[in-house]
Amino acid sequence: GDSVTQTEGQVALSEEDFLTIHCNYSASGYPTLFWYVQYPGEGPQLLFRASRDKEKGSSRGFEATYDKGTTSFHLRKASVQESDSAVYYCALSDTGYQNFYFGKGTSLTVIP
Amino acid sequence: EAAVTQSPRNKVAVTGGKVTLSCNQTNNHNNMYWYRQDTGHGLRLIHYSYGAGSTEKGDIPDGYKASRPSQENFSLILELATPSQTSVYFCASGGGPGERLFFGHGTKLSVL
Repeated sequence: GDSVTQTEGQVALSEEDFLTIHCNYSASGYPTLFWYVQYPGEGPQLLFRASRDKEKGSSRGFEATYDKGTTSFHLRKASVQESDSAVYYCALSDTGYQNFYFGKGTSLTVIP
Repeated sequence: EAAVTQSPRNKVAVTGGKVTLSCNQTNNHNNMYWYRQDTGHGLRLIHYSYGAGSTEKGDIPDGYKASRPSQENFSLILELATPSQTSVYFCASGGGPGERLFFGHGTKLSVL
């Protein structure tokens, strides 16, 4: 079945550090890939998505590129801020069964 | 902005009791989902629905039932609550394959 794997469970960085959160997926066909962000006490909200190979999604300085060859959608940001502290989820939506699959999430803490 | 409302926000239940979590969406989305969120597991799909009158089992349906009486409402029912069902539950709605999900703020359930 379809699945999403996030390598990092917790990440701690200082402000202005470079962020990478790794996301790999397993799915047939061309799923749509998403990054969601969740702040304390709230539900996950969409950061951005991509639906085609080599498509780049971006928002608020975060970006990720859909790579079908390596089945990856890694999240990157050049310079993190304290306000970026949150949980980040990689997810995919398959084209056939209308289901969503989420990774286990990565908790990002940015130290001022 | 699409809206998904969950009630209650917090619930304390006794072991063996019946618990109903409610979700209402004003997005006119066909698809609705119930997830539970636990540390180390991320978001896991319990039940989902493609429209009024339909419910489908997700990845962890044991101990849960779902009801979709209308396009707007989707309930999660714990007939005999157990402490292992202590968790944060999220409802979401979505328009279909490749479309984003909109989440509610979550329900924190404690089963004592």
